[in-house]
Amino acid sequence: KQEVTQIPAALSVPEGENLVLNCSFTDSAIYNLQWFRQDPGKGLTSLLLIQSSQREQTSGRLNASLDKSSGRSTLYIAASQPGDSATYLCAAQIYNQGGKLIFGQGTELSVKP
Amino acid sequence: ETGVTQSPTHLIKTRGQQVTLRCSSQSGHNTVSWYQQALGQGPQFIFQYYREEENGRGNFPPRFSGLQFPNYSSELNVNALELDDSALYLCASSLNPGLAYEQYFGPGTRLTVT
Repeated sequence: KQEVTQIPAALSVPEGENLVLNCSFTDSAIYNLQWFRQDPGKGLTSLLLIQSSQREQTSGRLNASLDKSSGRSTLYIAASQPGDSATYLCAAQIYNQGGKLIFGQGTELSVKP
Repeated sequence: ETGVTQSPTHLIKTRGQQVTLRCSSQSGHNTVSWYQQALGQGPQFIFQYYREEENGRGNFPPRFSGLQFPNYSSELNVNALELDDSALYLCASSLNPGLAYEQYFGPGTRLTVT
């Protein structure tokens, strides 16, 4: 059974700091890995999607990497801002498990001014 | 292009009651997936509908059921509500089922069971 784990559960950093959020998965038969942002009580906003054939994706201050052999993905946020405060979720899609997304439990990020 | 919409935004029900949540898929999308997100947890897959048929189901009891209509909108029905059903319910639509098609999420419906 595929499991997706995110550590830490919560993170607080001062504004301007560069930070890394971690996501690990147990099944190497991963099709893609997606990072989402969720503001309190709201839906999911897709940030980056990495196909299994790719190693990383970038969008603005965000960079996501994928290492299938180690079962890890990281989301790097450069020069963090208070507006980045939210919960960040990673989700995997696995071959032979249909199209469902398997989510981690999320990392709650707080960026202090 | 209209995105995924869900209704209602919030609702409160009593244990034992039944509830229906609604989702309108993004234009051109024929597949809808439903997820349950308990407080402090990641979303859990409930089921997926493709062309009005159930196309995959997660580990949820039969009192969770769904429908998809010819216009590809969808309903999630939950019978005999339990306190643990309190959660944010998210729907997502995609062009087609399967791995190659990205899912786009709606804003969610917050269900509180008292």
